[in-house]
Amino acid sequence: GQQLNQSPQSMFIQEGEDVSMNCTSSSIFNTWLWYKQEPGEGPVLLIALYKAGELTSNGRLTAQFGITRKDSFLNISASIPSDVGIYFCAGYYNNNDMRFGAGTRLTVKP
Amino acid sequence: KAGVTQTPRYLIKTRGQQVTLSCSPISGHRSVSWYQQTPGQGLQFLFEYFSETQRNKGNFPGRFSGRQFSNSRSEMNVSTLELGDSALYLCASSYGGSFQETQYFGPGTRLLVL
Repeated sequence: GQQLNQSPQSMFIQEGEDVSMNCTSSSIFNTWLWYKQEPGEGPVLLIALYKAGELTSNGRLTAQFGITRKDSFLNISASIPSDVGIYFCAGYYNNNDMRFGAGTRLTVKP
Repeated sequence: KAGVTQTPRYLIKTRGQQVTLSCSPISGHRSVSWYQQTPGQGLQFLFEYFSETQRNKGNFPGRFSGRQFSNSRSEMNVSTLELGDSALYLCASSYGGSFQETQYFGPGTRLLVL
């Protein structure tokens, strides 16, 4: 099935740096979601976006729903070691199915 | 409040066998969704159950099936296992279902098919 194109695949950054990752699709989505997964655990929802152009923040995290409804980005400001994990984007593909990006593996060096 | 629990946590099966995985949602949640996670395909939605009825379904073959009980607990069954079914199977629960509600994931069941 069609998955989302998420980039970058991995990031190695210094503590305190900002992070940016994005997802694109060839199809229009009605909702974009961003999740974080840590080893041995299931994904945890970080931010949900419901309208094109919407910009939403959750603490140091900011995500935007692209105007074309085919893309979304997630920014993390002033990264800290506990930000380490795999970040996934997800979207509703046809209102009864959810598609996921392959994930961005984030490593933060103290 | 207890989180989503999945049993067993680890499972080894051989090709051709069948397997049943269990998921207990957060108390009060009526929707349970199942996902498959593999290194190659990533996270993929299997199906969602709400009030004992399958409401949404992803693009998986009929070997993958599920059910939900009156207490909202859900089981997923995979028949005639194939090597490619080796994966982490995650379930997630929410109160009213639909993907717009926050879903709470369990830790997953890691299935290895030999």
